[in-house]
Amino acid sequence: EDQVTQSPEALRLQEGESSSLNCSYTVSGLRGLFWYRQDPGKGPEFLFTLYSAGEEKEKERLKATLTKKESFLHITAPKPEDSATYLCAVQAGGSYIPTFGRGTSLIVHP
Amino acid sequence: DTAVSQTPKYLVTQMGNDKSIKCEQNLGHDTMYWYKQDSKKFLKIMFSYNNKELIINETVPNRFSPKSPDKAHLNLHINSLELGDSAVYFCASSQDHNGYTFGSGTRLTVV
Repeated sequence: EDQVTQSPEALRLQEGESSSLNCSYTVSGLRGLFWYRQDPGKGPEFLFTLYSAGEEKEKERLKATLTKKESFLHITAPKPEDSATYLCAVQAGGSYIPTFGRGTSLIVHP
Repeated sequence: DTAVSQTPKYLVTQMGNDKSIKCEQNLGHDTMYWYKQDSKKFLKIMFSYNNKELIINETVPNRFSPKSPDKAHLNLHINSLELGDSAVYFCASSQDHNGYTFGSGTRLTVV
């Protein structure tokens, strides 16, 4: 049973069309929630860490938010270069090892 | 300078062979990891290692073993390779388990 669920599995947007990616989790004792970006043929690239409900982080066109049950990655006015797979990972309980979700594949068309 | 480097980038080998993947980090991080990414892009932890503790995912076959000659290196040895071992293997490092830095991956194909 997945503890970290990402949706949608795939998302196609037109350039400039804002949207949100979801990461829901069913763990207790959240230590941290991480967002990564992965381009084809490359390793995941760290974007954000969120630690507590209500926290928000921003980087260029990306904004990550956190509640007690889920996190959203908001993409404002995306560009084709934002196309990638976005991975969410949760660190919880007595383990420092994050559990990854299956990712959302984002394609932004010009 | 590459922060986490792993070699080789591609590895094609026959079933039954033994192979190694090397990983080095120059970030001064205290912990290194090996992850396996399957064909559906799902990342699963295999090992976590610092100079104090090795944590092994219990689902990893004992044909896989990490070897760490020093704090900056964590190599992955695989014995008796099987078809199901084909995947992309990522090395990563972190300081205090925060914000991992990943290598670029090794695509292993077992034929």
